[in-house]
Amino acid sequence: DAGITQSPRHKVTETGTPVTLRCHQTENHRYMYWYRQDPGHGLRLIHYSYGVKDTDKGEVSDGYSVSRSKTEDFLLTLESATSSQTSVYFCAISDRESSYEQYFGPGTRLTVT
Amino acid sequence: GQNIDQPTEMTATEGAIVQINCTYQTSGFNGLFWYQQHAGEAPTFLSYNVLDGLEEKGRFSSFLSRSKGYSYLLLKELQMKDSASYLCAGLYNQGGKLIFGQGTELSVKP
Repeated sequence: DAGITQSPRHKVTETGTPVTLRCHQTENHRYMYWYRQDPGHGLRLIHYSYGVKDTDKGEVSDGYSVSRSKTEDFLLTLESATSSQTSVYFCAISDRESSYEQYFGPGTRLTVT
Repeated sequence: GQNIDQPTEMTATEGAIVQINCTYQTSGFNGLFWYQQHAGEAPTFLSYNVLDGLEEKGRFSSFLSRSKGYSYLLLKELQMKDSASYLCAGLYNQGGKLIFGQGTELSVKP
């Protein structure tokens, strides 16, 4: 299995508070992605990174920001959490030099009350 | 957009064969992924089709028709452990991003 970890694995937070989720990889893959997964919507891309300090928006980026200061870490921040951001968040990595396959982390279940 | 459509739910019997269909928008399309996701777990890679035709990998096979915007995942000799959600995802040329369908929840019954 690809070396991807996410922290925390579970979090409950209150509306209006900032939240940061961390994705850490040991594979030295260039590309990293943040998705959210909700019933009836499948996986939707929030933001992705194609290198250190290089990021771009996905289809549901409003209310989220990301940072990548090192190859191995990709952070997702909810600037002011809302109940609509209650979801399961997955990080994924890809080595697009050899394959477009994405490997997924274990997920973070976030509840905003 | 790049709509990916697949059935929401399917039920099949242990030992049988099941086919899960997926249709997608062909504009900008580069390839088609299938992932398996058990409840509460991360998606895991099953197959990737770029060219037309059938690719077989053990009990699982995946088919692609680029001209028709159509793919299917074929599962043979179904086992109870195959009960899971199966995600179809299209690879599109804007940054190589994956666009996922909502997933097909497969229930395998004895």
